[in-house]
Amino acid sequence: DTEVTQTPKHLVMGMTNKKSLKCEQHMGHRAMYWYKQKAKKPPELMFVYSYEKLSINESVPSRFSPECPNSSLLNLHLHALQPEDSALYLCASSQDGNEQFFGPGTRLTVL
Amino acid sequence: QKEVEQNSGPLSVPEGAIASLNCTYSDRGSQSFFWYRQYSGKSPELIMSIYSNGDKEDGRFTAQLNKASQYVSLLIRDSQPSDSATYLCAVARRDAGGTSYGKLTFGQGTILTVHP
Repeated sequence: DTEVTQTPKHLVMGMTNKKSLKCEQHMGHRAMYWYKQKAKKPPELMFVYSYEKLSINESVPSRFSPECPNSSLLNLHLHALQPEDSALYLCASSQDGNEQFFGPGTRLTVL
Repeated sequence: QKEVEQNSGPLSVPEGAIASLNCTYSDRGSQSFFWYRQYSGKSPELIMSIYSNGDKEDGRFTAQLNKASQYVSLLIRDSQPSDSATYLCAVARRDAGGTSYGKLTFGQGTILTVHP
């Protein structure tokens, strides 16, 4: 299995909702990432987990809460989001911190 | 100065031509260089990685790196309409401890259009 999977593909939520994005990889990669991508912009790094520990948090607001239950899974918990948080949320994984492979993304709309 | 700079394009080339995409970076500590292709509405797809000065070829793609000039490029030979996409240059550096878990800095992307 050489892919990163993400669920759901699309998510619409209100500003008072709580939801979670899920990411899974079975390539034995040691690092997993969350990125946010707005239209016509490059991906922006949010969080990096290495060996299941949070190693980088790019000053992301606390309404985004990452979780790495095990080496194959990465979650992003969402609470009290704002409309400007609407974007494509990308998960990626990497064996050694070099080549990163992206999942298909979750397109999030906050109403 | 942006950390990673690319011409936003659009770059338009005829089918069968060579498309040349360029990227410059400002951090001399950068050690890893990547090209991603992103189709509209899709996620980025890694197409080339390069770590040493010189050329690296993979099929119709050639990546070129010149660390002295802080310049990395991607050549696409025999361009096809299916190559029409946004091409993202990404750069990473290793930590002081030698690991890289692994902050990629992306350029703004170059839109490539290959017309029949």
